[in-house]
Amino acid sequence: GIQVEQSPPDLILQEGANSTLRCNFSDSVNNLQWFHQNPWGQLINLFYIPSGTKQNGRLSATTVATERYSLLYISSSQTTDSGVYFCAVERDRDTGFQKLVFGTGTRLLVSP
Amino acid sequence: DAGVIQSPRHEVTEMGQEVTLRCKPISGHDYLFWYRQTMMRGLELLIYFNNNVPIDDSGMPEDRFSAKMPNASFSTLKIQPSEPRDSAVYFCASSPGLRGVQITQYFGPGTRLTVL
Repeated sequence: GIQVEQSPPDLILQEGANSTLRCNFSDSVNNLQWFHQNPWGQLINLFYIPSGTKQNGRLSATTVATERYSLLYISSSQTTDSGVYFCAVERDRDTGFQKLVFGTGTRLLVSP
Repeated sequence: DAGVIQSPRHEVTEMGQEVTLRCKPISGHDYLFWYRQTMMRGLELLIYFNNNVPIDDSGMPEDRFSAKMPNASFSTLKIQPSEPRDSAVYFCASSPGLRGVQITQYFGPGTRLTVL
């Protein structure tokens, strides 16, 4: 099956710093989503981004589908950004519509 | 909308007991998903439904696991009999599917299951 690798596995930032999280996937994809799991366990969808670039406030994401990677940028980080960030991909419609495969995540800690 | 609703939020049971987890998807969403999250295996898709019909249950670990969706607003995941290795957080998610502008999945708060 498709492999989804995220880096770095752990990241510690001082409040106000910027960061880039990376997601590499081993095959072509139809769908790519970024999620944030907060310290209470809630999974929140951040971006639906199978290709191109999107921005939402301090967060932005870029997916280069032809090179099989996606980047999540966090600018001016805040303590509320702490948690685990997951990348999830849907390989193609033949293997199952919306059948997402999740990466192992990047655990982010933002200290005040 | 209230979002995806799951109950119970926490469940502690003894090995061998039957466990039933419940989920109410977002109204109007055509797809419903059950996931399991553990430290060892991360987030895994167990089964998903489209318009109340199970589409893919290849992620269901064993015959002890079963899922149903009797109508568009309710689904259950049942484990019978439960075992300690079933301890995990179980998430339900729903999606509007192709009718949505973005094909995104919305997750419930999860049920933390502990089997003693």
